[in-house]
Amino acid sequence: NAGVMQNPRHLVRRRGQEARLRCSPMKGHSHVYWYRQLPEEGLKFMVYLQKENIIDESGMPKERFSAEFPKEGPSILRIQQVVRGDSAAYFCASSRGAQETQYFGPGTRLLVL
Amino acid sequence: KQEVTQIPAALSVPEGENLVLNCSFTDSAIYNLQWFRQDPGKGLTSLLLIQSSQREQTSGRLNASLDKSSGRSTLYIAASQPGDSATYLCAPGHQAGTALIFGKGTTLSVSS
Repeated sequence: NAGVMQNPRHLVRRRGQEARLRCSPMKGHSHVYWYRQLPEEGLKFMVYLQKENIIDESGMPKERFSAEFPKEGPSILRIQQVVRGDSAAYFCASSRGAQETQYFGPGTRLLVL
Repeated sequence: KQEVTQIPAALSVPEGENLVLNCSFTDSAIYNLQWFRQDPGKGLTSLLLIQSSQREQTSGRLNASLDKSSGRSTLYIAASQPGDSATYLCAPGHQAGTALIFGKGTTLSVSS
């Protein structure tokens, strides 16, 4: 059973470009979470999604950031008009149900030049 | 707002030592608590999950305990090995939601 897949593993963008991060949950998991780890800081929750629905986006910046989890395909975290402060590792996790064990992907490391 | 503190921030021990990593959290209304391991530049590996109704969980040389009322969890590593070198993260999940709240971790270095 493959684990949580994230791609790309590394992403370089210039200021003002868009970054699109993908996450494929484990088989049988319909709950997806996105976390961000800024340099020298702990992981911070961003958003929680179930298929086609955003359940909790309390950790998501109000501007430039959006997330989706369509009926078919991976979950996407989109960052528009990236700035240097967006440079971080973005981790996706999935679980079979709410409040169950979360399994993490390897992360996408975003570098904004 | 849940706050998670992990002590010590860093720990260096010789191979073979038994050690304890500490985690404290301010809001005891949690549904479970997970311990993770993170290797440099890598993702998180789930080590142990303790449900809020449990007192401890064991996996191999690892034992995690939970005292929900006092807001504390400990991770005990027996007979440490160089391969245990990593950052260990504690993350309680609040009853009102599903997001995990992470501490900043304890970075462990085990020398041979």
